[in-house]
Amino acid sequence: DQQVKQNSPSLSVQEGRISILNCDYTNSMFDYFLWYKKYPAEGPTFLISISSIKDKNEDGRFTVFLNKSAKHLSLHIVPSQPGDSAVYFCAAMEYGNKLVFGAGTILRVKS
Amino acid sequence: DTGVSQDPRHKITKRGQNVTFRCDPISEHNRLYWYRQTLGQGPEFLTYFQNEAQLEKSRLLSDRFSAERPKGSFSTLEIQRTEQGDSAMYLCASSLSSGSYGANVLTFGAGSRLTVL
Repeated sequence: DQQVKQNSPSLSVQEGRISILNCDYTNSMFDYFLWYKKYPAEGPTFLISISSIKDKNEDGRFTVFLNKSAKHLSLHIVPSQPGDSAVYFCAAMEYGNKLVFGAGTILRVKS
Repeated sequence: DTGVSQDPRHKITKRGQNVTFRCDPISEHNRLYWYRQTLGQGPEFLTYFQNEAQLEKSRLLSDRFSAERPKGSFSTLEIQRTEQGDSAMYLCASSLSSGSYGANVLTFGAGSRLTVL
Protein backbone atom coordinates (compact mmCIF):
# COMPACT_ATOMS: atom_id res chain seq x y z
CA ASP A 1 0.00 0.00 0.00
CA GLN A 2 1.96 2.98 -1.28
CA GLN A 3 0.74 6.05 0.56
CA VAL A 4 3.21 8.38 -1.16
CA LYS A 5 3.75 8.04 -4.89
CA GLN A 6 6.27 9.59 -7.22
CA ASN A 7 5.17 8.40 -10.62
CA SER A 8 8.10 9.74 -12.62
CA PRO A 9 11.21 7.61 -12.05
CA SER A 10 13.40 10.15 -13.83
CA LEU A 11 13.45 13.66 -15.24
CA SER A 12 15.97 15.34 -17.52
CA VAL A 13 16.17 19.15 -17.71
CA GLN A 14 18.46 21.64 -19.38
CA GLU A 15 20.56 23.85 -17.15
CA GLY A 16 18.80 27.15 -16.41
CA ARG A 17 15.33 25.78 -17.05
CA ILE A 18 12.68 24.83 -14.50
CA SER A 19 12.55 21.36 -12.94
CA ILE A 20 9.15 20.20 -11.69
CA LEU A 21 8.98 17.08 -9.55
CA ASN A 22 5.59 15.70 -8.61
CA CYS A 23 4.25 13.67 -5.72
CA ASP A 24 0.81 12.27 -4.85
CA TYR A 25 -0.41 10.90 -1.55
CA THR A 26 -3.42 8.93 -0.43
CA ASN A 27 -3.55 9.39 3.35
CA SER A 28 -5.63 12.45 4.21
CA MET A 29 -4.19 12.42 7.74
CA PHE A 30 -0.76 13.53 6.51
CA ASP A 31 -0.18 17.06 7.76
CA TYR A 32 3.44 17.82 6.97
CA PHE A 33 5.34 17.22 3.75
CA LEU A 34 9.05 17.28 3.02
CA TRP A 35 11.42 16.94 0.09
CA TYR A 36 14.79 15.27 0.51
CA LYS A 37 17.68 15.12 -1.92
CA LYS A 38 20.08 12.19 -2.09
CA TYR A 39 23.47 11.88 -3.74
CA PRO A 40 25.10 8.45 -4.26
CA ALA A 41 26.74 6.98 -1.16
CA GLU A 42 25.17 9.62 1.09
CA GLY A 43 22.06 9.72 3.23
CA PRO A 44 19.04 11.81 2.23
CA THR A 45 19.42 15.53 2.95
CA PHE A 46 16.48 17.72 3.90
CA LEU A 47 15.62 20.29 1.24
CA ILE A 48 12.31 22.01 1.95
CA SER A 49 9.02 21.36 3.72
CA ILE A 50 5.43 22.56 3.91
CA SER A 51 2.69 22.11 6.46
CA SER A 52 -0.86 21.30 5.48
CA ILE A 53 -2.09 24.76 6.48
CA LYS A 54 -0.09 26.34 3.65
CA ASP A 55 -0.20 25.94 -0.10
CA LYS A 56 3.24 27.29 -0.95
CA ASN A 57 6.67 27.53 0.64
CA GLU A 58 9.70 29.06 -0.99
CA ASP A 59 13.41 28.86 -0.18
CA GLY A 60 15.72 30.39 -2.71
CA ARG A 61 15.54 28.44 -5.97
CA PHE A 62 13.22 25.84 -4.42
CA THR A 63 9.44 26.17 -4.09
CA VAL A 64 7.03 23.52 -2.88
CA PHE A 65 3.34 23.70 -3.75
CA LEU A 66 0.63 21.76 -1.94
CA ASN A 67 -2.85 21.04 -3.33
CA LYS A 68 -4.70 19.34 -0.50
CA SER A 69 -7.91 18.73 -2.41
CA ALA A 70 -5.97 16.84 -5.08
CA LYS A 71 -3.58 15.27 -2.53
CA HIS A 72 -0.73 16.47 -4.70
CA LEU A 73 2.48 18.36 -4.12
CA SER A 74 5.23 19.51 -6.40
CA LEU A 75 8.77 20.81 -6.09
CA HIS A 76 9.91 23.52 -8.48
CA ILE A 77 13.60 24.27 -8.97
CA VAL A 78 14.35 27.49 -10.84
CA PRO A 79 16.86 27.85 -12.38
CA SER A 80 18.10 24.26 -12.45
CA GLN A 81 21.83 23.73 -12.03
CA PRO A 82 24.01 20.68 -12.78
CA GLY A 83 24.68 20.31 -9.04
CA ASP A 84 20.96 19.68 -8.55
CA SER A 85 21.34 16.31 -10.27
CA ALA A 86 20.36 13.79 -7.58
CA VAL A 87 17.50 11.58 -6.45
CA TYR A 88 14.62 13.56 -4.94
CA PHE A 89 12.30 11.94 -2.40
CA CYS A 90 8.91 13.22 -1.39
CA ALA A 91 7.95 12.35 2.19
CA ALA A 92 4.88 12.85 4.36
CA MET A 93 4.33 12.86 8.09
CA GLU A 94 1.28 12.23 10.26
CA TYR A 95 1.01 13.91 13.66
CA GLY A 96 4.76 14.48 13.91
CA ASN A 97 5.63 10.83 13.83
CA LYS A 98 7.45 8.81 11.22
CA LEU A 99 8.08 9.88 7.65
CA VAL A 100 6.59 7.89 4.75
CA PHE A 101 8.67 8.20 1.57
CA GLY A 102 7.94 7.93 -2.11
CA ALA A 103 10.15 5.86 -4.40
CA GLY A 104 12.10 8.89 -5.62
CA THR A 105 12.70 10.72 -8.89
CA ILE A 106 16.15 10.88 -10.49
CA LEU A 107 16.79 14.42 -11.72
CA ARG A 108 19.47 15.00 -14.34
CA VAL A 109 20.35 18.59 -15.17
CA LYS A 110 22.26 18.83 -18.43
CA SER A 111 24.78 21.62 -19.00
CA ASP B 1 28.47 18.13 16.26
CA THR B 2 29.24 16.12 13.15
CA GLY B 3 25.70 14.98 12.42
CA VAL B 4 24.37 11.42 12.47
CA SER B 5 27.11 8.77 12.38
CA GLN B 6 26.64 5.16 11.31
CA ASP B 7 29.03 2.27 11.61
CA PRO B 8 30.07 0.22 9.72
CA ARG B 9 29.48 1.88 6.36
CA HIS B 10 29.56 -1.44 4.57
CA LYS B 11 29.16 -4.97 5.87
CA ILE B 12 29.47 -8.15 3.82
CA THR B 13 28.32 -11.31 5.53
CA LYS B 14 27.33 -14.86 4.76
CA ARG B 15 23.74 -16.00 4.99
CA GLY B 16 22.89 -17.16 8.49
CA GLN B 17 25.34 -14.87 10.28
CA ASN B 18 24.33 -12.13 12.71
CA VAL B 19 25.17 -8.48 12.05
CA THR B 20 24.91 -5.35 14.17
CA PHE B 21 24.81 -1.74 13.08
CA ARG B 22 25.41 1.26 15.30
CA CYS B 23 23.98 4.75 15.04
CA ASP B 24 25.10 7.85 16.94
CA PRO B 25 22.48 10.59 16.56
CA ILE B 26 22.87 14.34 16.90
CA SER B 27 23.42 14.77 20.62
CA GLU B 28 20.45 17.02 21.45
CA HIS B 29 17.98 14.95 19.41
CA ASN B 30 15.56 12.83 21.42
CA ARG B 31 14.14 10.78 18.56
CA LEU B 32 16.02 8.14 16.59
CA TYR B 33 14.72 6.30 13.54
CA TRP B 34 15.79 3.28 11.53
CA TYR B 35 14.89 2.95 7.86
CA ARG B 36 15.79 0.43 5.18
CA GLN B 37 16.32 1.31 1.52
CA THR B 38 16.61 -1.07 -1.40
CA LEU B 39 17.56 -0.22 -4.98
CA GLY B 40 14.98 1.91 -6.75
CA GLN B 41 12.86 2.40 -3.65
CA GLY B 42 12.50 5.12 -1.07
CA PRO B 43 13.47 4.58 2.55
CA GLU B 44 11.06 2.26 4.38
CA PHE B 45 10.34 2.84 8.06
CA LEU B 46 11.49 0.12 10.46
CA THR B 47 11.27 1.54 13.97
CA TYR B 48 11.78 4.63 16.08
CA PHE B 49 12.68 5.60 19.63
CA GLN B 50 11.89 8.59 21.74
CA ASN B 51 14.70 8.71 24.26
CA GLU B 52 15.13 5.05 25.27
CA ALA B 53 11.53 3.99 24.58
CA GLN B 54 10.79 2.15 21.34
CA LEU B 55 7.51 3.74 20.28
CA GLU B 56 6.70 2.02 17.01
CA LYS B 57 7.84 -0.98 14.98
CA SER B 58 6.94 -1.67 11.38
CA ARG B 59 5.52 -5.04 10.40
CA LEU B 60 8.57 -5.15 8.10
CA LEU B 61 10.62 -5.71 11.25
CA SER B 62 10.56 -9.49 11.63
CA ASP B 63 11.55 -11.17 14.87
CA ARG B 64 15.08 -11.58 13.46
CA PHE B 65 15.49 -7.82 13.79
CA SER B 66 15.99 -6.10 17.12
CA ALA B 67 16.79 -2.49 17.88
CA GLU B 68 17.86 -0.92 21.13
CA ARG B 69 18.65 2.51 22.45
CA PRO B 70 19.76 1.67 25.97
CA LYS B 71 20.53 5.09 27.40
CA GLY B 72 18.62 7.26 24.99
CA SER B 73 21.78 8.10 23.08
CA PHE B 74 23.26 5.71 20.49
CA SER B 75 21.25 2.87 19.00
CA THR B 76 22.02 -0.58 17.64
CA LEU B 77 20.14 -2.58 15.04
CA GLU B 78 20.85 -6.31 15.06
CA ILE B 79 19.82 -8.75 12.38
CA GLN B 80 20.02 -12.41 13.34
CA ARG B 81 20.33 -15.30 10.88
CA THR B 82 20.70 -12.97 7.92
CA GLU B 83 19.01 -13.81 4.62
CA GLN B 84 19.84 -12.58 1.13
CA GLY B 85 16.67 -10.51 1.19
CA ASP B 86 18.13 -8.48 4.05
CA SER B 87 20.65 -6.95 1.66
CA ALA B 88 19.88 -3.22 1.71
CA MET B 89 21.04 0.16 2.93
CA TYR B 90 20.12 0.67 6.58
CA LEU B 91 19.61 4.34 7.34
CA CYS B 92 19.50 5.96 10.74
CA ALA B 93 17.99 9.39 11.35
CA SER B 94 17.42 11.59 14.36
CA SER B 95 15.19 14.54 15.20
CA LEU B 96 14.12 16.77 18.05
CA SER B 97 10.47 16.16 18.79
CA SER B 98 8.59 19.24 19.86
CA GLY B 99 5.39 21.10 19.11
CA SER B 100 7.07 22.77 16.17
CA TYR B 101 7.04 20.90 12.87
CA GLY B 102 10.31 22.43 11.78
CA ALA B 103 12.13 20.83 14.67
CA ASN B 104 10.90 17.38 13.70
CA VAL B 105 12.76 17.30 10.39
CA LEU B 106 14.74 14.08 10.27
CA THR B 107 18.49 14.29 9.78
CA PHE B 108 19.89 11.16 8.17
CA GLY B 109 23.23 9.45 8.45
CA ALA B 110 25.12 8.14 5.42
CA GLY B 111 23.79 4.62 5.98
CA SER B 112 25.20 1.15 6.50
CA ARG B 113 25.12 -1.04 3.40
CA LEU B 114 24.55 -4.73 4.08
CA THR B 115 25.40 -7.39 1.52
CA VAL B 116 24.37 -10.95 2.38
CA LEU B 117 26.07 -13.60 0.25
